[in-house]
Formats: sequence, structure tokens, C-alpha cells
Amino acid sequence: DAGVIQSPRHEVTEMGQEVTLRCKPISGHDYLFWYRQTMMRGLELLIYFNNNVPIDDSGMPEDRFSAKMPNASFSTLKIQPSEPRDSAVYFCASREGGSTDTQYFGPGTRLTVL
Amino acid sequence: AQKVTQAQTEISVVEKEDVTLDCVYETRDTTYYLFWYKQPPSGELVFLIRRNSFDEQNEISGRYSWNFQKSTSSFNFTITASQVVDSAVYFCALSDPIIQGAQKLVFGQGTRLTINP
Repeated sequence: DAGVIQSPRHEVTEMGQEVTLRCKPISGHDYLFWYRQTMMRGLELLIYFNNNVPIDDSGMPEDRFSAKMPNASFSTLKIQPSEPRDSAVYFCASREGGSTDTQYFGPGTRLTVL
Repeated sequence: AQKVTQAQTEISVVEKEDVTLDCVYETRDTTYYLFWYKQPPSGELVFLIRRNSFDEQNEISGRYSWNFQKSTSSFNFTITASQVVDSAVYFCALSDPIIQGAQKLVFGQGTRLTINP
């Protein structure tokens, strides 16, 4: 079975540009999570969806960040405009709907904002 | 608020030594999950184990074992007869209350484990 798929794996952009990160969850998974990993703050949850609906976006750092899940097999995390402090590894994770199910992570997107 | 503390920032041992990674957590919830994830140099996060707060049985999986003690809010991870391939950053994580259903995770800062040949 394919795991969580993220694209691109690496993104280098200049400050002020729009950045879109993409995620394809594991088929049949009801929950999708976006995390960010930085040296200073570690791994932190940004937002999660249940059945394509955003449930909790309290971790989204600023209005420059937005996330969507138009269907069960695709989600995007957009940063507009990007800033150097947004440089991080962004992980997407998904899991099935049962309370005992485990969250599986994608390979991450390493974002560098110059 | 929930919090996970991995006090050991870095550990370095020689191959075949046993090594224990410590994890202490804080939560006011009575039901929760605890996790360990491995992040090898390639960067992905690999699930290792999930433990329910009701289940304090220790678990062993090959060279890996986990000791969950609710009384001390600890969930420690031991690798027996370590190997170079075990070199990675290991994260302990705590979920929100099970009843809420989401499984939002709070991660510790990670322990970088280096196994030297």
C-alpha cells in the first residue's frame, strides 16, 4: 500500500512568493494532519481535518498560512507571502477514523525561503 | 496544558550496548495515547509504538522494549544490543484525550541517538 505522499520533497523560494505544499493521504483515512518541524520549536501541529472538514487550525501561525482539503485524497498547505522564518520541514499525516488507529506520516517537504 | 519532555538531547553509545531513551509527560487527561516515532537521517517519521493510558503492560518487540509507568508519567524506550542502523532521532509524543477522537499529538524535542561501530 502506498503511504502518505507529499510533494514537492524540496522547495526553495524567495521571500514574498506564494508556496503550495501538497499531500495525498492514505486511501480510506478519515483524518489528515499538517505538522511543521523546526529546530527552535520542534514538531508542532498546524491544522487537522476530519472527513475533509478543517476541525482545529489553532496551530496555524499566521493568516499567511491556509490549508484546504477539497476531497478525501488531496490537501494543500499554502503560505502567502512566504518569509524566511517559514523555512522548515512540513509533514502531512493521516489515519483511519477509529480511536485506536495510528497516525502515519509522509516523507515531509523541506521548505527554504531565501 | 500537555507537555512532553525528553531530557536527553543526544546520546552516543558503542554498538551492542543497551540504551534507554527517557520520556516524561504532563497531562490532566485520564485517557490518552503515548507514542514513539523514529526519524532516521533520511528525514521521514516512522511509527514505532502506541500505548493506551489504561495499559501499563511493558512491551517488547525484538530488540525494542517500552516501559510505561503512569505513576511517574514516564514512557521510556530501551534498545537492547544497539546497532548502527538504530542511529536516528527518536520522538516521544502524547495525544489529546482519546474520547475527543482526533489524536492530536504533542511531541517532545527528540533525542538524537548515535550508535558508533
